[in-house]
Amino acid sequence: EAGVAQSPRYKIIEKRQSVAFWCNPISGHATLYWYQQILGQGPKLLIQFQNNGVVDDSQLPKDRFSAERLKGVDSTLKIQPAKLEDSAVYLCASSLDAGGQETQYFGPGTRLLVL
Amino acid sequence: GDSVTQMEGPVTLSEEAFLTINCTYTATGYPSLFWYVQYPGEGLQLLLKATKADDKGSNKGFEATYRKETTSFHLEKGSVQVSDSAVYFCALSDLTDGNQFYFGTGTSLTVIP
Repeated sequence: EAGVAQSPRYKIIEKRQSVAFWCNPISGHATLYWYQQILGQGPKLLIQFQNNGVVDDSQLPKDRFSAERLKGVDSTLKIQPAKLEDSAVYLCASSLDAGGQETQYFGPGTRLLVL
Repeated sequence: GDSVTQMEGPVTLSEEAFLTINCTYTATGYPSLFWYVQYPGEGLQLLLKATKADDKGSNKGFEATYRKETTSFHLEKGSVQVSDSAVYFCALSDLTDGNQFYFGTGTSLTVIP
């Protein structure tokens, strides 16, 4: 079974530039999550999709971050404009459903450095 | 709000030593509890989980018991190997809090031969 795919793996940009990350979840998984993991910290949920609808985006900085999951499969996360404090690893995860007992499967992450 | 607190690292052990990584939680409801592991250069992987009080999750020689009375989910392994070197994250998911996942800050483990 193929895992969660993410691209790119690494990205270096200058502040005020824009960047986009892509995620392809495990086939058949209805729920998709984007996390931000700053160095030395645990992952922080940014947004959760159930199929192509947003379940929770309470911690997404909506003035600069946006995410979409068209057709309920792939998802993109965009930052525009980027700030220095956005330097982090962006993790995508998916699960079969949104139940509290469901295991989340994580992709390898995209490491972003904002200069 | 819900939260997870785990012991700070880094932790360095000799091979075959006993491992304990402490994790305590705060939750409004009855959460499911997880341990995830992140090996160098790889993504997070589920190590084990427990979904109700007194459940014991186990995998690859690691164990953790869901203790509601002490709100804890400590990770243990009787004899660590060099290949166990990784960062370990405790996490919870609470149905009464929208099923959002809360992760601890992670504990780095290095096992030396």
